[in-house]
Amino acid sequence: ETGVTQSPTHLIKTRGQQVTLRCSSQSGHNTVSWYQQALGQGPQFIFQYYREEENGRGNFPPRFSGLQFPNYSSELNVNALELDDSALYLCATRLTGTTEAFFGQGTRLTVV
Amino acid sequence: GESVGLHLPTLSVQEGDNSIINCAYSNSASDYFIWYKQESGKGPQFIIDIRSNMDKRQGQRVTVLLNKTVKHLSLQIAATQPGDSAVYFCAEKGYSTLTFGKGTMLLVSP
Repeated sequence: ETGVTQSPTHLIKTRGQQVTLRCSSQSGHNTVSWYQQALGQGPQFIFQYYREEENGRGNFPPRFSGLQFPNYSSELNVNALELDDSALYLCATRLTGTTEAFFGQGTRLTVV
Repeated sequence: GESVGLHLPTLSVQEGDNSIINCAYSNSASDYFIWYKQESGKGPQFIIDIRSNMDKRQGQRVTVLLNKTVKHLSLQIAATQPGDSAVYFCAEKGYSTLTFGKGTMLLVSP
């Protein structure tokens, strides 16, 4: 158990729709990152939040956005879903200044 | 550009053998290199990391070797067990991101 919980575990959406994925982590883990993992690939960095502000972003368009809340939970929002957005979405949390990131089990998003 | 890649997509070993998983990287500026294990239906699980100023680090049944001259990282698993079957990723840690390679699937047969 990593102490990181993601919801929902599976989700099916239609192209053009919007989706919100959620992540809750251990108390004190004030850095959260989101990753997209396509089938058969390694996770790709989307963005990172620290103390409720985005402080790093990967090569993803603005329709991927996020929020982090004071209770160590966070959200990933994706607008105007495309078929290629189908993937496993992972959140990872860690204590600032440490290297060990704790991953959730992921949300499997399918866009049809 | 920056990349972290693996040489072998699948490694098959017998239970009890030692396993070696390799990884090549191209960005020399990273402070840490990390190995993750990902079992089916789960998120990546931290195995071991190594600072860029080290060349070897040992954990429980695992050893990571870093060769900065040839930009090569390896994970050695001693006495491989069926429970070690998973996909293994190397990753390099930047300021706010982990850059993952594509992964190597380790299959352990009894």
